[in-house]
Amino acid sequence: EAQVTQNPRYLITVTGKKLTVTCSQNMNHEYMSWYRQDPGLGLRQIYYSMNVEVTDKGDVPEGYKVSRKEKRNFPLILESPSPNQTSLYFCASSLYVGSLTIYNEQFFGPGTRLTVL
Amino acid sequence: DAKTTQPNSMESNEEEPVHLPCNHSTISGTDYIHWYRQLPSQGPEYVIHGLTSNVNNRMASLAIAEDRKSSTLILHRATLRDAAVYYCILKDDKIIFGKGTRLHILP
Repeated sequence: EAQVTQNPRYLITVTGKKLTVTCSQNMNHEYMSWYRQDPGLGLRQIYYSMNVEVTDKGDVPEGYKVSRKEKRNFPLILESPSPNQTSLYFCASSLYVGSLTIYNEQFFGPGTRLTVL
Repeated sequence: DAKTTQPNSMESNEEEPVHLPCNHSTISGTDYIHWYRQLPSQGPEYVIHGLTSNVNNRMASLAIAEDRKSSTLILHRATLRDAAVYYCILKDDKIIFGKGTRLHILP
């Protein structure tokens, strides 16, 4: 089954304790992306990657890192989490063929609910 | 970045058509119009997209104004499972979700 998986689905942590949220897709998609969703603010893009070793900032990248060493995986790293990073996080992937990314639907993971105390 | 404007919420009766509007007056010639929806406790899912012509798929229809400054997502026969937040997005390099329209379906 074609899917995007995220782990963990729920995480409660404390300020300053480094954490990683994993994202994996089995559709051989080039494009992957991370979003956060907050009440009243909708979905905001954190980082995206157009292919292996190619990453770029989205709208709210501060406090986050990503890496794309393999095509299927796109982990989100919080080096020193703070309470304002408490949010619902979604990973997504889609085909990317040059600028034809604009044609392609994104497939979203089930979400990771992160609480930073 | 071009922005979209959608009503915060809408209501519709079950088994009736639903027309969800979206205004995008600053749309550029290369912006595609995408619609996604987010069911409760799930990630967003793709619904439909188009550029200039009206589009149909198994989920919905997309009607695009001639000047492309607005579009309407049409659910032909709403069911309770269509209750969700619907996002209208202009997509070029970045993907910017707005706050969407929360659709309530009344049994």
